[in-house]
Amino acid sequence: LAKTTQPISMDSYEGQEVNITCSHNNIATNDYITWYQQFPSQGPRFIIQGYKTKVTNEVASLFIPADRKSSTLSLPRVSLSDTAVYYCLVGDGSSNTGKLIFGQGTTLQVKP
Amino acid sequence: ETGVTQSPTHLIKTRGQQVTLRCSSQSGHNTVSWYQQALGQGPQFIFQYYREEENGRGNFPPRFSGLQFPNYSSELNVNALELDDSALYLCASSRPGTGLYEQYFGPGTRLTVT
Repeated sequence: LAKTTQPISMDSYEGQEVNITCSHNNIATNDYITWYQQFPSQGPRFIIQGYKTKVTNEVASLFIPADRKSSTLSLPRVSLSDTAVYYCLVGDGSSNTGKLIFGQGTTLQVKP
Repeated sequence: ETGVTQSPTHLIKTRGQQVTLRCSSQSGHNTVSWYQQALGQGPQFIFQYYREEENGRGNFPPRFSGLQFPNYSSELNVNALELDDSALYLCASSRPGTGLYEQYFGPGTRLTVT
């Protein structure tokens, strides 16, 4: 499974767009990129998943360049409630074993 | 649609004791995974159950064991508890055909070993 590298922490202000970049230089052909969000004392929550180019849902956008060696999670107009830890995961979406490999994640602090 | 539930919410045990944690998967989900999350760290994969059989295991000793029942609910058993077993234990379920990376997590059980 490809290892991911992301910033340990980020600060932002309410109403701003936040971009969190994840590096995954050893991503394999079958690997998908998935982002989870975790609030204190809660389980992680699936945010978005993509393979290439751009994916958008009601919560976030995921930008993946052609070489797929990095990806960027974009959160539009963040609010205080977006303060959480964000995890970038890379792995084979077709695998029979859903073994999610979490790193330390990026702690996003949104300030008023 | 009922989400993933776990019980108990909190638990305090003594070193050497045994503990059983329970998880009810989300409706329609037939796969359950267990994770251990130490304070300040990301969750670590323990094992996964699919159709009542273990379907993958992380780097955890055999004293961590599990079960999945016909209704897809699951148990995590830990024997001979050690102080380092103190953590948040998370259960996640997933449904067939969506890709195993879209997993739905429960709120967790906070285990403290003294």
